[in-house]
Amino acid sequence: DAGVIQSPRHEVTEMGQEVTLRCKPISGHDYLFWYRQTMMRGLELLIYFNNNVPIDDSGMPEDRFSAKMPNASFSTLKIQPSEPRDSAVYFCATQSWGDGELFFGEGSRLTVL
Amino acid sequence: QKEVEQNSGPLSVPEGAIASLNCTYSDRVSQSFFWYRQYSGKSPELIMSIYSNGDKEDGRFTAQLNKASQYVSLLIRDSQPSDSATYLCAVKVTGNTPLVFGKGTRLSVIA
Repeated sequence: DAGVIQSPRHEVTEMGQEVTLRCKPISGHDYLFWYRQTMMRGLELLIYFNNNVPIDDSGMPEDRFSAKMPNASFSTLKIQPSEPRDSAVYFCATQSWGDGELFFGEGSRLTVL
Repeated sequence: QKEVEQNSGPLSVPEGAIASLNCTYSDRVSQSFFWYRQYSGKSPELIMSIYSNGDKEDGRFTAQLNKASQYVSLLIRDSQPSDSATYLCAVKVTGNTPLVFGKGTRLSVIA
């Protein structure tokens, strides 16, 4: 299995631009999580899905952030418009069942200038 | 609000020594506890899970859980320079809730 695949690995953009991060989960994993990691705040949960349905988006910082999971093989996290404080590493992680091991993608490092 | 607290470090230990990493959590009903290791520039990877009070050993790693004190620890015996990483403590309240992570403790093993 190829593991959780995220793209792009690195993104540098200017303030105000739209950013779309992508995730392909491990096949058969029913849970998908989007985390954001910064030095100051650590690893924060933004939103998670179960069977493609958003379960909890209370961690999404504001309306500029949105996430979708149109099917079991793909999820996106979109930031529009982006701001410098959004600079972070964004991880997608998946899990096969409620208490199973969480598998992380390699992350997308976002820099907003 | 569920919180998981760790000392940020860095914790420096000489090669061959025992490294002790500690974590406390706020939600008394938490049921599952995990230690993840994260090398610089990489993603977290699971190294230990523990669900009941006491010790759980896996090779050089021992996880310890004390639910009454809301305390989890990770011991690394015979520390190696390759153990140098950030160790993240993570807690799950129930099987269907997501993991809550601490900010991590940076460990440096000096050769």
